[in-house]
Amino acid sequence: DSGVTQTPKHLITATGQRVTLRCSPRSGDLSVYWYQQSLDQGLQFLIQYYNGEERAKGNILERFSAQQFPDLHSELNLSSLELGDSALYFCASSGNVWAGNTDTQYFGPGTRLTVL
Amino acid sequence: AQKITQTQPGMFVQEKEAVTLDCTYDTSDQSYGLFWYKQPSSGEMIFLIYQGSYDEQNATEGRYSLNFQKARKSANLVISASQLGDSAMYFCAMREGVEYGNKLVFGAGTILRVKS
Repeated sequence: DSGVTQTPKHLITATGQRVTLRCSPRSGDLSVYWYQQSLDQGLQFLIQYYNGEERAKGNILERFSAQQFPDLHSELNLSSLELGDSALYFCASSGNVWAGNTDTQYFGPGTRLTVL
Repeated sequence: AQKITQTQPGMFVQEKEAVTLDCTYDTSDQSYGLFWYKQPSSGEMIFLIYQGSYDEQNATEGRYSLNFQKARKSANLVISASQLGDSAMYFCAMREGVEYGNKLVFGAGTILRVKS
């Protein structure tokens, strides 16, 4: 158990719909990262938040948005869903100010999104 | 340009033997980090080992060691005394610089199968 929690574990929805994925980082971690894993594109970085502020953006579609709340949990919002958005979405966290190595990203169990 | 290359799509190893999973990387940064993650069939991403670019010693974590050859830009994972539970997908990843938000760039992965 990495200490990172993600809900829901599975999500099945229809094209055109909007969903919200939730992530709680490890205790003390300030950074949250979102990644998408699909068969055709592999593991791709989407976006990073650090202590509530957006820090870096990757290949994140305009239909996708994210935020990190004051309690450091994060949500990834996916809208106008398409079949190609079906993937495993991971949240990872790092940057524990109490730990020696703040670089290591610990991943949550993922949310498997299926768009029908 | 591809930054992380894992040239072995799949590998077989006999139980109790050692196996090396290859990873080469490309970066112009002086400061970077290299990681290996394990993804079993259940889907979660498990952190295995980390090597910093300035670390002079090769990293080791139990049965895992990282053969870091900086001049050749390679960071191979060595698993000693393979166990059936080591059967999984293995990803090599590089942390890009702070200006990129410490995001991870992943290779395509290597599927390892341990035979009894």
